[in-house]
Amino acid sequence: EDQVTQSPEALRLQEGESSSLNCSYTVSGLRGLFWYRQDPGKGPEFLFTLYSAGEEKEKERLKATLTKKESFLHITAPKPEDSATYLCAVVAGNNRKLIWGLGTSLAVNP
Amino acid sequence: EAQVTQNPRYLITVTGKKLTVTCSQNMNHEYMSWYRQDPGLGLRQIYYSMNVEVTDKGDVPEGYKVSRKEKRNFPLILESPSPNQTSLYFCASSLLQGGGYTFGSGTRLTVV
Repeated sequence: EDQVTQSPEALRLQEGESSSLNCSYTVSGLRGLFWYRQDPGKGPEFLFTLYSAGEEKEKERLKATLTKKESFLHITAPKPEDSATYLCAVVAGNNRKLIWGLGTSLAVNP
Repeated sequence: EAQVTQNPRYLITVTGKKLTVTCSQNMNHEYMSWYRQDPGLGLRQIYYSMNVEVTDKGDVPEGYKVSRKEKRNFPLILESPSPNQTSLYFCASSLLQGGGYTFGSGTRLTVV
């Protein structure tokens, strides 16, 4: 069964304390992996798309990487405004079905 | 500004009273979708549409209807809402199926 698992469920960091969020997947025929940021009560906001193992994308303090089994979202020197839930989703198969993880809730303390 | 607009943002209704949540996008996207988001269950797809007059069921379609008469609009209809449909709903669109979504701001629905 196709599955996307994100870890940890929740993460609390001090401002400036770098860390990584994980998205592991077991799917047939990966066609792409997405990272989104979601603030409470708001719609997810698109961050990155990764298509093949070895690919990396960066945006400000965020860097996403992809292997054949998982993706990491690295957060360098986070700030309180980076606090949000980060969602991972995978597109797989000929029907291009989107499979979502449950997210990692990140809190960055000043 | 490129966006997906949902209305209303908040809605409290009673069991059995038909309601419609509207969704409109201004990006000429082919693909549109409705999701509900519940604690511990994440985002679950209700219905999707690959183009005008083409709709299909997602993972949790029971109790919902949709239509796609125009490319920009994709309303979600609850013919007889029940309390288990209390949730946060999102409309989303993308250029193609499996592409990066633009999400609306959400509709928080409470059915009492």
